[in-house]
Amino acid sequence: DAGVIQSPRHEVTEMGQEVTLRCKPISGHDYLFWYRQTMMRGLELLIYFNNNVPIDDSGMPEDRFSAKMPNASFSTLKIQPSEPRDSAVYFCASSLRVLPGELFFGEGSRLTVL
Amino acid sequence: AQKITQTQPGMFVQEKEAVTLDCTYDTSDQSYGLFWYKQPSSGEMIFLIYQGSYDEQNATEGRYSLNFQKARKSANLVISASQLGDSAMYFCAMREGQRGGADGLTFGKGTHLIIQP
Repeated sequence: DAGVIQSPRHEVTEMGQEVTLRCKPISGHDYLFWYRQTMMRGLELLIYFNNNVPIDDSGMPEDRFSAKMPNASFSTLKIQPSEPRDSAVYFCASSLRVLPGELFFGEGSRLTVL
Repeated sequence: AQKITQTQPGMFVQEKEAVTLDCTYDTSDQSYGLFWYKQPSSGEMIFLIYQGSYDEQNATEGRYSLNFQKARKSANLVISASQLGDSAMYFCAMREGQRGGADGLTFGKGTHLIIQP
């Protein structure tokens, strides 16, 4: 079975550019999560969706960050404009509706903003 | 206050020895779940073991066991007979149940485990 699929795996961009990260959750999973991992702050939850609806976006750093889930099989995390401090590994994860559930992580998208 | 505290930034252990990675948590919820994930140098997050707040038995998965002490709010991971491939970052995490819904996992800062031959 396919796991959580993220793209791109690596992205290098210049400050001010728009960045879009993509995620395909495991089929049948009702919850989708976006995490950011840095050395300084560890793993931080940015936002999560339940049945395509954003439930908690309190972890989103600022208005430059936005996330969408137009359908059950696709989500995007967009940063516009990007800044060097956004450099991190961004993980997408999904889980089943049954509580409490294990999160299945994608392989992550490593973003470097120059 | 931190919800998940891992006090050991790093640990060195001799191969074949058992190792305990500490984790304490803070929650006012009665229903919650505790998780351990492994992150090798390749970067992926690998689920290891899960303990529910109402589970009376300590969870075990192969060489992994979770020493769950509810009154102390601790959920230490025990790896028996450590192997070189166990070298990785280990994260303790908690998921709280709120009003019948679910929340994202809250992660600790991690412990870097190095197994020496």
